[in-house]
Amino acid sequence: GAVVSQHPSRVICKSGTSVKIECRSLDFQATTMFWYRQFPKQSLMLMATSNEGSKATYEQGVEKDKFLINHASLTLSTLTVTSAHPEDSSFYICSASRSVPYEQYFGPGTRLTVT
Amino acid sequence: AQKVTQAQTEISVVEKEDVTLDCVYETRDTTYYLFWYKQPPSGELVFLIRRNSFDEQNEISGRYSWNFQKSTSSFNFTITASQVVDSAVYFCALSEVYTGANSKLTFGKGITLSVRP
Repeated sequence: GAVVSQHPSRVICKSGTSVKIECRSLDFQATTMFWYRQFPKQSLMLMATSNEGSKATYEQGVEKDKFLINHASLTLSTLTVTSAHPEDSSFYICSASRSVPYEQYFGPGTRLTVT
Repeated sequence: AQKVTQAQTEISVVEKEDVTLDCVYETRDTTYYLFWYKQPPSGELVFLIRRNSFDEQNEISGRYSWNFQKSTSSFNFTITASQVVDSAVYFCALSEVYTGANSKLTFGKGITLSVRP
C-alpha cells in the first residue's frame, strides 16, 4: 500500500514552454502533498506544500507564479512549470502524506530537461 | 530551525565490509521523527526507517542497523557485510510534528556510498 505515481517520468521541453507534472496517490487519500526539486548530486529541497482544496504554501525563494501547484483532489496534485528555462532542468519529486503516521510516500520522480 | 548534517559526502568500501553512515540533527522540538532514505541511481527514494524521538531503542533489520542517541543528537546507520546493490545515495531526514500530514521533512545533503566488488 501507499503507492505514489508521477507522470511523466521524463520530459524534454523547449525554453519558454510550460510543462505539467502529475502526482497521484494510488491507494490512499493524501491530505497533503509535497513537491521537491533535486539538482544533480544535491539534496532534496522542498518547494511547496499543498493541501487538497486550498492554495499551496511555497518555501522561501520559490516563485509561485512560475511553479503552479494545483491539488484538486485527495489523490492528485499537479505542478506546472511555466515558461520553463534551462535552469529549471532538474529532478522533481512529489510525496504524499496521510495524517497518520507522519510519513511521506515518495513518487518516482520526473526528470525535466529544458532545451 | 531544523538542521540535518551528514558530514560524510562520499564513502567507498569493498564488498562485505561494514560501513556506518553518520547523521547529526538539530531541532528545538522535543517531539520529532527521524528517517533514513536510500536513493539508487534510478532516482526513486526508498524508505528505510522512521524513528520517533521517544524511542531510543536501536533497530536491526537484516544487514541494516540504526543507532539513535538523543544525548549526541545522532542517528547513525550501519550496513553490515555491504553488497554492490547497497551502492546509492543515503539521506537522513528530520520531521517535526505539527499537524501530522503537514510535517515538513528536512533532508541532509546525502552520502554517496559506493560498494566495489
